[in-house]
Amino acid sequence: SAVISQKPSRDICQRGTSLTIQCQVDSQVTMMFWYRQQPGQSLTLIATANQGSEATYESGFVIDKFPISRPNLTFSTLTVSNMSPEDSSIYLCSSRTGVTDTQYFGPGTRLTVL
Amino acid sequence: AQSVTQPDIHITVSEGASLELRCNYSYGATPYLFWYVQSPGQGLQLLLKYFSGDTLVQGIKGFEAEFKRSQSSFNLRKPSVHWSDAAEYFCAVGAIQAGTALIFGKGTTLSVSS
Repeated sequence: SAVISQKPSRDICQRGTSLTIQCQVDSQVTMMFWYRQQPGQSLTLIATANQGSEATYESGFVIDKFPISRPNLTFSTLTVSNMSPEDSSIYLCSSRTGVTDTQYFGPGTRLTVL
Repeated sequence: AQSVTQPDIHITVSEGASLELRCNYSYGATPYLFWYVQSPGQGLQLLLKYFSGDTLVQGIKGFEAEFKRSQSSFNLRKPSVHWSDAAEYFCAVGAIQAGTALIFGKGTTLSVSS
């Protein structure tokens, strides 16, 4: 199994600022995913991050708002840019390695935008 | 369209009673099915998964789920609920290919009464 850590665990930010969330996996993984969980809602996929290539974004999410980096096989960052209160959510990092492997999740970053 | 439906938003069960949480999916390929649990303020924990083989799968904490292809269902069961089982439960479906992210249902909140 993969152990995933995220930093920060929570943050309170001002409108118009940006926050970068870090995700570290304890083993090399091919794919990493970023999800958003809005209050009382389910998980929505933001993007899939391959090492060495541009992230693939889901409908409704754009790179200018949620730039992602994937510099190596164990690390990724998600930036939430020009934040508004609507961005207040839990952001979760996730990874999956093999064909029958489980998709593991980090503990999440709880973001509040004032 | 690929989707997961959890018809019950909120369920209350008495401690010691049996539990069944429903999950129906719509997926074009052979599905890979999961149940996750999320306790308040916590990350997602995998309860069980179905890849192939025996359609009744056992998970952690005494949970089991049965895959029924004809009904496109993957219902979660537990014979005797404990107060600590109160949490949010998510059903998810993915493709049996590395690199594809899971699609989540909206979740079912389980409350346990004494």
